[in-house]
Amino acid sequence: NAGVTQTPKFQVLKTGQSMTLQCAQDMNHNSMYWYRQDPGMGLRLIYYSASEGTTDKGEVPNGYNVSRLNKREFSLRLESAAPSQTSVYFCASSEKTHRGAFFGQGTRLTVV
Amino acid sequence: DQQVKQNSPSLSVQEGRISILNCDYTNSMFDYFLWYKKYPAEGPTFLISISSIKDKNEDGRFTVFLNKSAKHLSLHIVPSQPGDSAVYFCAAFPYGGGTSYGKLTFGQGTILTVHP
Repeated sequence: NAGVTQTPKFQVLKTGQSMTLQCAQDMNHNSMYWYRQDPGMGLRLIYYSASEGTTDKGEVPNGYNVSRLNKREFSLRLESAAPSQTSVYFCASSEKTHRGAFFGQGTRLTVV
Repeated sequence: DQQVKQNSPSLSVQEGRISILNCDYTNSMFDYFLWYKKYPAEGPTFLISISSIKDKNEDGRFTVFLNKSAKHLSLHIVPSQPGDSAVYFCAAFPYGGGTSYGKLTFGQGTILTVHP
């Protein structure tokens, strides 16, 4: 039972490059999320998908796009990476329980 | 505008003693609160939660207290163990209205170190 799987685990990009972070969950959850974690800021929501076929902006969506490919997969794309996007990115999924979100292991992204 | 705040960046306690982690919130729409634990190089994992209709929830060594009038919650760990050393995040969301249950507002986190 893998839960939430993110790839890659580490990535270094040059400013202006693009990349896609992949996320898949095997818990049959309807909702999926992308968060970023920065020092002193906690986790902040970038985008979320309440159900297959829908996506909505979170607190910090600028510079990102998302695709809910199917119920299992939710990808995050950086079209033109900037140093300010250096962060640890977490994908998560949830169902209607009191346990909130289940998180992946994270992707550490550095933009130079 | 930080709607959920953890004002103590770090806390150090002795093994066997009580650890108390605090969290304050400003948004009156929040009515469900969670604590997550995070080890280095791992994602956050759910620890315990509390609904606004309660003022206390207990799970083994972990107890969460909620003071709605003060918009304050705390996590008590008794007794503390070295394996509890991690970053603890509090989080909140408005439970009603069909909100996605993982759409959370997080505090900044508190690093707990439990010394043997």
